[in-house]
Amino acid sequence: DIVMTQSPDSLAVSLGERATINCKSSQSVLYNSNNKNFLGWYQQKPGQPPKLLIYWASTRESGVPDRFSGSGSGTDFTLTISSLQAEDVAIYYCHQYYSNPLTFGGGTKVEIK
Amino acid sequence: QVQLVESGGGVVQPGRSLRLSCAASGFTFSDYGMNWVRQAPGKGLEWVAVIWYDGTNRYYADSVKGRFTVSRDNSKNTLYLQMNSLSADDTAVYYCARQDTAMVPPDSWGQGTLVTVSS
Repeated sequence: DIVMTQSPDSLAVSLGERATINCKSSQSVLYNSNNKNFLGWYQQKPGQPPKLLIYWASTRESGVPDRFSGSGSGTDFTLTISSLQAEDVAIYYCHQYYSNPLTFGGGTKVEIK
Repeated sequence: QVQLVESGGGVVQPGRSLRLSCAASGFTFSDYGMNWVRQAPGKGLEWVAVIWYDGTNRYYADSVKGRFTVSRDNSKNTLYLQMNSLSADDTAVYYCARQDTAMVPPDSWGQGTLVTVSS
């Protein structure tokens, strides 16, 4: 199984400042046939289901604000919120869909400082 | 718009069975793979099972293999999860989530249904 490790577990950022979340997979999730990383990011607010933000490590889902960006390749990935807004308070999960079983990181809780 | 509505959750005693349903609308259900993902109270996300668009392939997490069965009825636009031999460790909100192909992650999720295993 591919283990996904996120850091930090939580972070507090001032409004308008940058938030950075890291995710590391125990093996590469780069699919060589199309050179895409099978890595996604979800946002989950209290009482709500997860919402897909990013797939293929850096492609924003339709309707996701451009302050959210993803980067990285192979085993190391980053989700960046360039200017934190109040509505971004949530738990963020990275997720690999490279192989079954699908696995998720433990989550990073983002709060306002 | 895409809508996924889970049902069938509730309180069940250890060792008993429960069947969850997920009613889909707003898209062509038979074109999509479907997943079950669960979340224990206050915990992270755990993938449970996937079934391909036509039902020909199914995969399970080790934690549920042999106890849970995923199925679908494309004529009714409904996904199912039959859960047997339930234990306290199965207590969670169960989400269904659609997945276009194996090349992309699940993109739309239902609101979830809570399963509580307790005597």
